[in-house]
Amino acid sequence: ETGVTQTPRHLVMGMTNKKSLKCEQHLGHNAMYWYKQSAKKPLELMFVYSLEERVENNSVPSRFSPECPNSSHLFLHLHTLQPEDSALYLCASSQERIAGELFFGEGSRLTVL
Amino acid sequence: SQQGEEDPQALSIQEGENATMNCSYKTSINNLQWYRQNSGRGLVHLILIRSNEREKHSGRLRVTLDTSKKSSSLLITASRAADTASYFCATAGYGGSQGNLIFGKGTKLSVKP
Repeated sequence: ETGVTQTPRHLVMGMTNKKSLKCEQHLGHNAMYWYKQSAKKPLELMFVYSLEERVENNSVPSRFSPECPNSSHLFLHLHTLQPEDSALYLCASSQERIAGELFFGEGSRLTVL
Repeated sequence: SQQGEEDPQALSIQEGENATMNCSYKTSINNLQWYRQNSGRGLVHLILIRSNEREKHSGRLRVTLDTSKKSSSLLITASRAADTASYFCATAGYGGSQGNLIFGKGTKLSVKP
């Protein structure tokens, strides 16, 4: 248990569906992150939130929409995805926003048909 | 890019042997971190070494950092089958976007009983 919980663990969706990934951290951290992990590629940083404010958006397509309603919760809303968006989506949190140690959830395995 | 790059991509050893993985990066760093990932799971933080440190130990793990060569190594001594996993280095710079952790592609370690 890392103190970061992601749901669902597995998700299959069609290209026209709308779904959401949820992340909750019980560590009292100030920063939260979404990373995408695809086969044979490095982890890609998607979004960073610090104190509920989005501070990074690494050129992620608009079909991915993050939401951070409070410092403990982070969502990734998905709509009209493409098959190449199939990947493991990892949520992480850290106490220090800059160069801090990351605590990861177990990930949400997304398959887009 | 400050992205770390691990070497080798894959490593297979017998239980009881030592495993050494290397990481190279391109720009100055605040710190360098090593993470472990079991198949299909989230990443787990192993050790953090700051730019002014040269060596750190944690149990059977030993990490070295050579900032003049922009490289780090992770040594796992007396390996066990349970050490089978992918190992990633991640680098972080100073402030702003440079403070984000950027991961390499990882080394896949297989320890045979």
